[in-house]
Amino acid sequence: QKEVEQDPGPLSVPEGAIVSLNCTYSNSAFQYFMWYRQYSRKGPELLMYTYSSGNKEDGRFTAQVDKSSKYISLFIRDSQPSDSATYLCAIFTGRRALTFGSGTRLQVQP
Amino acid sequence: KAGVTQTPRYLIKTRGQQVTLSCSPISGHRSVSWYQQTPGQGLQFLFEYFSETQRNKGNFPGRFSGRQFSNSRSEMNVSTLELGDSALYLCASSPKEGGEAFFGQGTRLTVV
Repeated sequence: QKEVEQDPGPLSVPEGAIVSLNCTYSNSAFQYFMWYRQYSRKGPELLMYTYSSGNKEDGRFTAQVDKSSKYISLFIRDSQPSDSATYLCAIFTGRRALTFGSGTRLQVQP
Repeated sequence: KAGVTQTPRYLIKTRGQQVTLSCSPISGHRSVSWYQQTPGQGLQFLFEYFSETQRNKGNFPGRFSGRQFSNSRSEMNVSTLELGDSALYLCASSPKEGGEAFFGQGTRLTVV
């Protein structure tokens, strides 16, 4: 079993839809959670960073962490074609390394 | 504030050669990590440096090595290149261990 599981998609939604992206993890020692957006042939761009259970909002993005279920989510409101990218969850382990999910490819249709 | 800078952006090397990649972190960041990204394996951790010391290493062969300089700039080296080393190599810098990690645009290495 991978330490971080993420549905690879692809996920296709119409413009304006609410997008829900999810990851599950296995190690309860994980403490820091991040979401990245990666456009083709570019480096990952940090979207959200959180370390506690609950919700964190930044503009159209909301990160949600449920440590009891070992489940993290990223919600995108009013999705735009420019949001089309691969979204990666990343979790910081006690081994001082980020463990990434495999990424979910999102396509927002105009 | 300048972001993470990686050079070169693209490289083509022949099997058996060696290669050195460079990373300049965000000013003030002392932690630099390296990752390999391939379509099949995704993003995999190579190693992490903090204040010139390697703090952690991923499951890669000894052909992969790195170092960090006193100005926090980092280099990674891959010797005796193999076809399977073709990948996007990403560098990330953080202000502290466990802090937000900011990535550069990567170096795309192609081994032929």
